[in-house]
Amino acid sequence: AQSVAQPEDQVNVAEGNPLTVKCTYSVSGNPYLFWYVQYPNRGLQFLLKYITGDNLVKGSYGFEAEFNKSQTSFHLKKPSALVSDSALYFCAVRDISGSARQLTFGSGTQLTVLP
Amino acid sequence: GAGVSQTPSNKVTEKGKYVELRCDPISGHTALYWYRQSLGQGPEFLIYFQGTGAADDSGLPNDRFFAVRPEGSVSTLKIQRTERGDSAVYLCASSSGGGLGVPDTQYFGPGTRLTVL
Repeated sequence: AQSVAQPEDQVNVAEGNPLTVKCTYSVSGNPYLFWYVQYPNRGLQFLLKYITGDNLVKGSYGFEAEFNKSQTSFHLKKPSALVSDSALYFCAVRDISGSARQLTFGSGTQLTVLP
Repeated sequence: GAGVSQTPSNKVTEKGKYVELRCDPISGHTALYWYRQSLGQGPEFLIYFQGTGAADDSGLPNDRFFAVRPEGSVSTLKIQRTERGDSAVYLCASSSGGGLGVPDTQYFGPGTRLTVL
């Protein structure tokens, strides 16, 4: 079985400050990890993914995420937040070695960047 | 290029009615997924197609739900005898269809918001 936890329902940060949105995962084998962003009344938009290799993954719009195998975490980060980054963020996992192809999502974290 | 499209964007129906939700994947994508997102939750897997066949339907909640993809492109999610608890946003995603151990990225459509009165 695979699962994802996003421990914070809501994260508030001031514009220009660094932001972190937390994610931890559980899989039987090795993980594929993803971050998606959802704007109001819109579908999920792909931000970045970790497959293998460098633990720091860079994605769209200046976002990056750090894979930490020992802590089973994949936190999303951005050095300087923008008001336009305010949205709902989802972390997702898929087990590389499993036969299941679907993603398992966390419950989401609402990011609000304050001007 | 064109992304995943879903129609209708909104659907309001009455309890007990039948509904069909349509998904048009990205051209050339062989894998297609349906997810359901309830308010305040992350998307939950329903069914996955590789080509025309349903490779995994383990997420369908009961036999009122089924989906087809007859020509390996457009898919229709069908819900019979709708219940108020079926109200949710139904999301479709497609990918290039990486196999076991081969990474692929799922790209999502805007969703269909289903409301059952």
